[in-house]
Amino acid sequence: ETGVTQSPTHLIKTRGQQVTLRCSSQSGHNTVSWYQQALGQGPQFIFQYYREEENGRGNFPPRFSGLQFPNYSSELNVNALELDDSALYLCASSLGWGFDYEQYFGPGTRLTVT
Amino acid sequence: SQQGEEDPQALSIQEGENATMNCSYKTSINNLQWYRQNSGRGLVHLILIRSNEREKHSGRLRVTLDTSKKSSSLLITASRAADTASYFCAKLGRETSGSRLTFGEGTQLTVNP
Repeated sequence: ETGVTQSPTHLIKTRGQQVTLRCSSQSGHNTVSWYQQALGQGPQFIFQYYREEENGRGNFPPRFSGLQFPNYSSELNVNALELDDSALYLCASSLGWGFDYEQYFGPGTRLTVT
Repeated sequence: SQQGEEDPQALSIQEGENATMNCSYKTSINNLQWYRQNSGRGLVHLILIRSNEREKHSGRLRVTLDTSKKSSSLLITASRAADTASYFCAKLGRETSGSRLTFGEGTQLTVNP
């Protein structure tokens, strides 16, 4: 176990709805990254937060947004859900955002959009 | 787009055999990391190898890196049924800021008892 927790474990939403996913980082970690993993694919980077500021963003539309709180936990919000948003959403925390910091992943949230 | 490409996509072996998975990448890297994922769950970090390193070991795992060929390999020796999982390589590129990992599509390893 990495100490990174995510909630909920699973959820089902309807196209057009909005969803919020939560991530609690490992103690002492100030950086959280979010990834989307479609079935049969490798994870793709959505964005990263460092000390409550966005610190890099992947090729995802603005309807994917995030927050990081003073305790370094984080939220991923997705508006106007589309069927292609169905995926496993992974968050990872790390001690920093430099090159040598390992990322510790949570168990993921499985989102199904119908 | 995925930068790392794992080969093979799927590998099935018998318990006790060795398993070798390969990863290629296109642009320069700062380091390359290998992860394991059990059946659609979270990723478990296995090994990080830096661009100035050629080989690293961790228990039954051995990772090599050849920057001239832009490739890496993961060797699992004396495999066990519990090693059945998907294995991903992920690169941390010099062209990107922060610690953005770029993953390949993974190798599905099945170890038959």
